[in-house]
Order: sequence, then C-alpha cells, then structure tokens
Amino acid sequence: NAGVTQTPKFQVLKTGQSMTLQCAQDMNHNSMYWYRQDPGMGLRLIYYSASEGTTDKGEVPNGYNVSRLNKREFSLRLESAAPSQTSVYFCASSESVGGEKLFFGSGTQLSVL
Amino acid sequence: GQQLNQSPQSMFIQEGEDVSMNCTSSSIFNTWLWYKQDPGEGPVLLIALYKAGELTSNGRLTAQFGITRKDSFLNISASIPSDVGIYFCAGQLVQGAQKLVFGQGTRLTINP
Repeated sequence: NAGVTQTPKFQVLKTGQSMTLQCAQDMNHNSMYWYRQDPGMGLRLIYYSASEGTTDKGEVPNGYNVSRLNKREFSLRLESAAPSQTSVYFCASSESVGGEKLFFGSGTQLSVL
Repeated sequence: GQQLNQSPQSMFIQEGEDVSMNCTSSSIFNTWLWYKQDPGEGPVLLIALYKAGELTSNGRLTAQFGITRKDSFLNISASIPSDVGIYFCAGQLVQGAQKLVFGQGTRLTINP
C-alpha cells in the first residue's frame, strides 16, 4: 500500500535555483495539499487542490507554484529558491469531502544555501 | 493568520504514566483533530471531533472538543514507548473548508 509518495526525500539547492517536488497518491482521493513544516511552527498550508483541475492558495503561497497534473499527481515548484524556503515539505491527500482527514507523505527535506 | 496554541511544548514522562495536552485558540473552530508524527514521517490522524462537547476515544487515546469550541484536549493513558513522537492539534474554522490550521506540536519523550 503506497499511499502518498513524495520525491525526492532530500534536496540541497543554491539560492536562485529552481526545482519541482513531486507527489502522487493511489487512494483515489479528490483533494491534495502541500504543507511546509518549520521548527516550532507546526505545519502551514502552501497550496491545495480540492479537485482535479483546481488549485487554491493556502496560508503561505508566496514563492511557490503548483500543478494538479491529474487526479493522482500534485507537484510543487520553486521557481527561484531562497534560504527562507529551507523546510520540510509534506504532500497530503484527503479522503474526506471537507479535507480534514489527511494522509501525509513522508516528506522532503529541502535546504537552500 | 489563525493560531492554535499547544501546551505543553514538550513532555518527559515515565513509561506507564498518563499524559494530557491541550490546544487553545482565540477563535471558534468547528472541527478539531489530533495527529501524531513519528521521526522522519508525516503526521498520522489519531482522532477527529465534530461537535462541541464531543468525547472520542481511540484505544488508549481520548480527545475532547471543548464546550466553548475554542479548545481541545488529548489524553493518553498508560503510556508505552511507541507513544513517543510529536502530537499536533489541528482545526477547521469552517467545516468542510479544506484548510486546516495546525498547532506548534507537543513533543513527547518517554523514559523506560
């Protein structure tokens, strides 16, 4: 049972470089999410997609873009990475219509130097 | 943005002890949830609460949706080593709104 799969698990970037974090779920969930986790701050929502073909901003969207490629896949792109984007990134999908019951991937640890 | 304040930030207990933690907000939340995160993994849902006053159990875990709708509580009875991890509360201001607000987490450490 794969659940939510994120790649890569670790990444180091230089300031100004770009990269895309990939996420796929095999649970046929409609909703998908990208969160970042920083020490002492819990998880903060970056972007979400309530259904295939739609995306919406969360609490901290600046510096990020997303693409809901199909029902299974939801990618997060950093166009020009900054040190403030050093964080652990989690992708999640939801089995509930309201989006509260989340299944998380195992995370991507990103460092921007 | 909206904030959830979790207390305590960390706990160091002996195996077999009971644990209590809570989450408070200045705003009314209409859904409360508790998640647990093991090292190197994403959070896993423990309990979801949908009505003020609701008390729900999941094995040795019991959570309550506060009457004021501004707080929630999680209790763990007879702790065991696998309870170690970070516990997060989360809430929705509006049920079904897709967005969750997370607390800062309570880190639980257990001495065998």
